[in-house]
Amino acid sequence: QVTLVQSGAEVKKPGSSVKVSCKASGGTFSNYGFNWVRQAPGQGPEWIGGIVSLFGTTNYAEKFQGRVTISADESTTTVYMELSSLRSEDTAVYYCARPLVRGVTRYAMGVWGQGTTVIVSS
Amino acid sequence: EIVLTQSPGTLSSSPGARVTLSCRASDVVPSTYVAWYQQKPGQSPTLLIYGVSTRATGIPDRFSGSGSGTDFTLTISRLEPEDFALYYCQQYGNSPVTFGQGTIVEIK
Repeated sequence: QVTLVQSGAEVKKPGSSVKVSCKASGGTFSNYGFNWVRQAPGQGPEWIGGIVSLFGTTNYAEKFQGRVTISADESTTTVYMELSSLRSEDTAVYYCARPLVRGVTRYAMGVWGQGTTVIVSS
Repeated sequence: EIVLTQSPGTLSSSPGARVTLSCRASDVVPSTYVAWYQQKPGQSPTLLIYGVSTRATGIPDRFSGSGSGTDFTLTISRLEPEDFALYYCQQYGNSPVTFGQGTIVEIK
């Protein structure tokens, strides 16, 4: 049974960057993709991007292109999401989530991390 | 991108009732790539249904999904107290993956 444990809450200034981690325990790490999804207060979830470390591939939502970097460290079974040029609209809970099937990111997400609150405020 | 519109925004109902939640897509969703999630306050989403109608592991059979093309439905046959929550649909047939804005199921 895989579990995803994320790093703690962050408070950031506008214009700065944040890097959130997601450590996977149990299961096979590199065979699966991992997604990052965020949820602003009172809003539905929004997909940011994903990574399949087995293939070394990342894909990002157009909205976040150029501002987000998703990476993975197989040695520590940890996935990272770094978002730069932060603005107040980036205030949200950020989740990592693993799809049900191997080798893809675009699928239903069966396992979710506990979420990391990121607050962007001057 | 495919925009998902859920209705109603809030559904007030009683334990034991049957409820139906709607999810309408702005374009045809390829294959059967629609999922439904439940989310309770302060918790992460939980996958209920994927592939339009397949229940995820451990999900009770009072939850069922149906639909095709642009119109999809989640039905809860008999509401239990723990079912009062927020529900989201998701399409993963087209990139980017998108989610609806949610339906709140509240106690009447």
